[in-house]
Amino acid sequence: DGGITQSPKYLFRKEGQNVTLSCEQNLNHDAMYWYRQDPGQGLRLIYYSQIVNDFQKGDIAEGYSVSREKKESFPLTVTSAQKNPTAFYLCASSIDPLLQGADDGNQPQHFGDGTRLSIL
Amino acid sequence: AQSVTQLDSQVPVFEEAPVELRCNYSSSVSVYLFWYVQYPNQGLQLLLKYLSGSTLVKGINGFEAEFNKSQTSFHLRKPSVHISDTAEYFCAVRAGGYQKVTFGIGTKLQVIP
Repeated sequence: DGGITQSPKYLFRKEGQNVTLSCEQNLNHDAMYWYRQDPGQGLRLIYYSQIVNDFQKGDIAEGYSVSREKKESFPLTVTSAQKNPTAFYLCASSIDPLLQGADDGNQPQHFGDGTRLSIL
Repeated sequence: AQSVTQLDSQVPVFEEAPVELRCNYSSSVSVYLFWYVQYPNQGLQLLLKYLSGSTLVKGINGFEAEFNKSQTSFHLRKPSVHISDTAEYFCAVRAGGYQKVTFGIGTKLQVIP
């Protein structure tokens, strides 16, 4: 079955440490996204990528970094500069509407099961 | 710019009663609209989506939503809820020609036995 796999499910970070969250998809989607979810705030976009070797900052990119070396993979690094990293992180992918044409704009995003990051 | 407002943060409802979860959006261009459901410690699953055509959209698990352009709303409804519908529901919008999807803050539906 095609889908998105996030790992690990739970992650703990020490002060001053960088941690990397994994996101892999086998849906052959061009576009991938990282969201941060905090109680009562919904989902906020951290970074997104429309194509390999290209990515753009979302609304809350400070303290995070990403790479997109392969179509299937979009890892997120939470750096020590992110002072409040405790949250639930969700990775998503979709057909890129801007590449496929306007008629595909209704293509939904497919989500992984998330990684919960906490501070030690 | 696009935005989404979910008017209720929590909605308690008795089992087998009907429910409506409200969503309003704003955008200066045409929009694509979505409703997602999230169970505890899981990702989001698509319930239904609207692109164009019929304003009444049917989704999975007996949910449906009605697009109202004049009121810029996309409310989610179910005629009879079950305990298993207890979850958080997110409304989302993508404006035509834009890459990003904007999510509402979510509505927690609590079904009471």
